[in-house]
Amino acid sequence: ETGVTQSPTHLIKTRGQQVTLRCSSQSGHNTVSWYQQALGQGPQFIFQYYREEENGRGNFPPRFSGLQFPNYSSELNVNALELDDSALYLCASSFGTVTDTQYFGPGTRLTVL
Amino acid sequence: AQSVSQHNHHVILSEAASLELGCNYSYGGTVNLFWYVQYPGQHLQLLLKYFSGDPLVKGIKGFEAEFIKSKFSFNLRKPSVQWSDTAEYFCAVIPGEDSSYKLIFGSGTRLLVRP
Repeated sequence: ETGVTQSPTHLIKTRGQQVTLRCSSQSGHNTVSWYQQALGQGPQFIFQYYREEENGRGNFPPRFSGLQFPNYSSELNVNALELDDSALYLCASSFGTVTDTQYFGPGTRLTVL
Repeated sequence: AQSVSQHNHHVILSEAASLELGCNYSYGGTVNLFWYVQYPGQHLQLLLKYFSGDPLVKGIKGFEAEFIKSKFSFNLRKPSVQWSDTAEYFCAVIPGEDSSYKLIFGSGTRLLVRP
């Protein structure tokens, strides 16, 4: 059992809207990474937060933004939604070292119409 | 750009057959290598990982992988698959100098094991 939870499970939005996805880390973990998994693809790194600071970003536009809170939970915000943003959004928590396993949550399925 | 290639997108095997899933990466420096698995309806979970040392790594459920630096490969193997191994398998890399520890994933291989 990973202990990483995400909400909501599913979400339907229309183009141009904004969305906030949430992630609760596994107990004791100080690092959260967000990934986007399009249908038939592997997860793609969006960004990572370590102790409330952004610690690396993938090739995603600025309309993808995030936050990490003092309890190490995290939010992913996407503004001005586009059809191509439809995907499964995964968060993963860890202790923030390369040797530590990243534990994934079940994901939020976002559909943009 | 760094990338991970999994050449077999779909694999179908009968129970007790041997399995080998290919994974190649494009990065010349130190790498940290992973195989993740996603069983139907479940989260992504770690099968095994390699950071240094013995290039033959053993993971959970009888899986193993071999790191061959000269071939930039990290193939996953299992001598005898079971129906319960039906899942999607992802190879992933963290480049050694990357301070963000971001996983770079391949596109995945869907394995179907027939009883």
